Amino acid sequence: GENVEQHPSTLSVQEGDSAVIKCTYSDSASNYFPWYKQELGKGPQLIIDIRSNVGEKKDQRIAVTLNKTAKHFSLHITETQPEDSAVYFCAASRYNFNKFYFGSGTKLNVKP
Amino acid sequence: GAVVSQHPSWVICKSGTSVKIECRSLDFQATTMFWYRQFPKQSLMLMATSNEGSKATYEQGVEKDKFLINHASLTLSTLTVTSAHPEDSSFYICSARASGRGLETQYFGPGTRLLVL
Repeated sequence: GENVEQHPSTLSVQEGDSAVIKCTYSDSASNYFPWYKQELGKGPQLIIDIRSNVGEKKDQRIAVTLNKTAKHFSLHITETQPEDSAVYFCAASRYNFNKFYFGSGTKLNVKP
Repeated sequence: GAVVSQHPSWVICKSGTSVKIECRSLDFQATTMFWYRQFPKQSLMLMATSNEGSKATYEQGVEKDKFLINHASLTLSTLTVTSAHPEDSSFYICSARASGRGLETQYFGPGTRLLVL
């Protein structure tokens, strides 16, 4: 089965700096990679996703890059703000499969 | 769009009682719903996958007789924790996969915190 590893487990940055969270996956058949943000006591919220036919996707301050050869994908947050503080989860999936394989999560702390 | 609700948001019950949690997709039809369990500071653990009108598929190690799942319609799935015990205390989160749009994406509910005394 698929195995998704996520690093770092915690990340502390100064407001305005950039943050990068990295994930690797093991199943070369995985072709869909979403990122979720989870605030304390709430459910995960989809923030960006990428399919395997695309190398990069950007949405305002958030971007995701995918390297299929190396089987890793990364979340990039620029100009971080205190409200970006949360736990971020990456996941990998095949289109036709229901199952998402989640990383272990990264706690991002943006210091004002 | 793509809003998923859960009810209740939190529940406290006595050991031995059963608790039902509802998951609803509010603005889309969900052919598939998922139930997760999350322990503090940990990742999401998939418990089961439910498809509308059919029996749920449980992950290895999840007791199907203890965690009853019903997906009676395209907008509602329920999780019933039967004969709850303190070790069942956890954060339960559902997600729904939209049919007809973004099929590969799961939209999560806000979660239900269960405390069994």
